[in-house]
Amino acid sequence: NAGVTQTPKFRVLKTGQSMTLLCAQDMNHEYMYWYRQDPGMGLRLIHYSVGEGTTAKGEVPDGYNVSRLKKQNFLLGLESAAPSQTSVYFCASSATGVGYEQYFGPGTRLTVT
Amino acid sequence: AQSVTQPDIHITVSEGASLELRCNYSYGATPYLFWYVQSPGQGLQLLLKYFSGDTLVQGIKGFEAEFKRSQSSFNLRKPSVHWSDAAEYFCAVGEVDYKLSFGAGTTVTVRA
Repeated sequence: NAGVTQTPKFRVLKTGQSMTLLCAQDMNHEYMYWYRQDPGMGLRLIHYSVGEGTTAKGEVPDGYNVSRLKKQNFLLGLESAAPSQTSVYFCASSATGVGYEQYFGPGTRLTVT
Repeated sequence: AQSVTQPDIHITVSEGASLELRCNYSYGATPYLFWYVQSPGQGLQLLLKYFSGDTLVQGIKGFEAEFKRSQSSFNLRKPSVHWSDAAEYFCAVGEVDYKLSFGAGTTVTVRA
């Protein structure tokens, strides 16, 4: 039981390049979330999903897209990376019924030059 | 939207001393409150949570937190810190769709 995994762990992009971050969970959770963490700002929600095939915008969605084609996977895409997207990205998941208690992945450190 | 304030950016405490981290929230109804810990280079781990009932909740690693509705606070405490408690601590409040709104975090340094 791996919990929540994220791929890759580190990435360096040049401005304008694109990439996709993969999040996978093996707990059969309905809800999944993407956050970014920046110094002094805590975690800010980018996008989230309340079930397979659904996505919704969070607090800071601009410049990102997401997809949830399979229940266990939640993908975060950057179509044209900008230096302002340099951050640590965390994925999390939670179960319905219990709610709220989110389980986090180890994070992806992204640098955009 | 809900908001969470952690007034202390950084706290330094001696090993064996007590620790208290402050958290204030704004929310109209009874909130769902959480404390998470993040060790360097790691993801977040849930320490404890408050949904209802007893206002003093116990968590893992010897931590406890007290919900005080009159003060809109949910402060985290530990009677005696260990060097391994050095980490960043986040308070969070639950929102609709099971989202969480996080505070900016408090970094704890433990000195020998």
